[in-house]
Amino acid sequence: SQKIEQNSEALNIQEGKTATLTCNYTNYSPAYLQWYRQDPGRGPVFLLLIRENEKEKRKERLKVTFDTTLKQSLFHITASQPADSATYLCAPRFNDYKLSFGAGTTVTVRA
Amino acid sequence: SQTIHQWPATLVQPVGSPLSLECTVEGTSNPNLYWYRQAAGRGLQLLFYSVGIGQISSEVPQNLSASRPQDRQFILSSKKLLLSDSGFYLCAWSPGLAGVSNEQFFGPGTRLTVL
Repeated sequence: SQKIEQNSEALNIQEGKTATLTCNYTNYSPAYLQWYRQDPGRGPVFLLLIRENEKEKRKERLKVTFDTTLKQSLFHITASQPADSATYLCAPRFNDYKLSFGAGTTVTVRA
Repeated sequence: SQTIHQWPATLVQPVGSPLSLECTVEGTSNPNLYWYRQAAGRGLQLLFYSVGIGQISSEVPQNLSASRPQDRQFILSSKKLLLSDSGFYLCAWSPGLAGVSNEQFFGPGTRLTVL
């Protein structure tokens, strides 16, 4: 079965720096991969989607890359702010209708 | 605009008691609907999904069941709760048409504690 691994459970960075989160998957590549943000006690909120034929996607200070050879997606938060502190979930879509979610990486941005 | 509702927000139930969590979506038709569970410090586990009324797919065999009596209503049930059923339950929807953005929109969640 597919396995999704997100790098270290927690990432602490200084305000203004770039946070880089990793999502690795096994076996076959997904048709696309999504990233979500989850705040404590809330449901996840969609951030970005990248398709298997796209190398990079940007949205404001967020950037996602997708390398099907490495079976990896990287999620970057540039010029990080304390308001970016949250848990970020990687969600590849391997089958129709369903996403598979990683355990998430909790980012804490220090002022 | 679309809105998703879940209730109750929190629930404390004794072991062996029944469960019914409800989710409704407004502002869209024929959505795909999902129930997830998130244990403390863990990722989201897909429990059930539905592509239409009366069509339910189960991802994890357990003592939970789901029903979709109406197009925009999704219900999660149990006849007898176990301690291991404690967690944060999330309902989500996505557009039902293939080719449309498949991002999922999540409800506010229900925090269930089984004692």
